[in-house]
Amino acid sequence: GAVVSQHPSWVICKSGTSVKIECRSLDFQATTMFWYRQFPKQSLMLMATSNEGSKATYEQGVEKDKFLINHASLTLSTLTVTSAHPEDSSFYICSALGFSYEQYFGPGTRLTVT
Amino acid sequence: AQKITQTQPGMFVQEKEAVTLDCTYDTSDQSYGLFWYKQPSSGEMIFLIYQGSYDEQNATEGRYSLNFQKARKSANLVISASQLGDSAMYFCAMRDLASIMKTSYDKVIFGPGTSLSVIP
Repeated sequence: GAVVSQHPSWVICKSGTSVKIECRSLDFQATTMFWYRQFPKQSLMLMATSNEGSKATYEQGVEKDKFLINHASLTLSTLTVTSAHPEDSSFYICSALGFSYEQYFGPGTRLTVT
Repeated sequence: AQKITQTQPGMFVQEKEAVTLDCTYDTSDQSYGLFWYKQPSSGEMIFLIYQGSYDEQNATEGRYSLNFQKARKSANLVISASQLGDSAMYFCAMRDLASIMKTSYDKVIFGPGTSLSVIP
C-alpha cells in the first residue's frame, strides 16, 4: 500500500517557539492531505484540509494563524505550530487521499511543549 | 452536519470469540464512504475495511466484516475469531463523497472510538 511519512516522529520544544511538521506521500501524488490532532484516549479531530496549490480549509475553532498549513507540492504538506504553548502538546497525524477512497495515514508526530 | 457515533467506549471479548463494534452515522448525503480503522498503542492508524454507500453487499476483509444497514445508518464492525493482537482502539469514520463533486473540499470525520480488549 501507499506510504505516508511524517517528520519528526516526536519533538520537544520550549514555549513560544515554532515547530514545523512535515507530511510526505512517498509513492503517490496527493492532491488532498488532512491534518488531525489527537489528545490521549480521544478520537482524531480534523484540523484542516490541505489542498495542493491553494489555501487550506480549516475546521471551525482551529486558529489559522496558530496552525499554518502549506501544501506546496503534490507530495508534501507542512503544519507549523507557531508560538507553541503547553496546551498545544498533542499527537498530530496527517493523511493523504489516494485515487479512489483510500486514505493513507502518517505515523504521527508527538509534540511536547515545555 | 455529519456525525459519527460509537456508543461503546470500551469492550471486552474472549480470545477466539467474535465481537461487534457499533457505529451509527448521520448525513444528509446519498453518496458517502464508511471506514473502520484500528489504532494500537503505538499510535499508527491501520485501515481495516471500507463500505461505499452504494455498495449492495457488505464489505469483508479477512476476519473483518462490516454489517451495513443503510436505512438505519449503521455500519457495525464484526471481528471474528478475536486474537490478542486485536486489542486496540477502533474508530469508525465517514467520508462525504458528494462534497467532492460540489466543491474541492473533501473531508473525513471520525467517531469517538471503542477500546477493545481481548482476554486470553
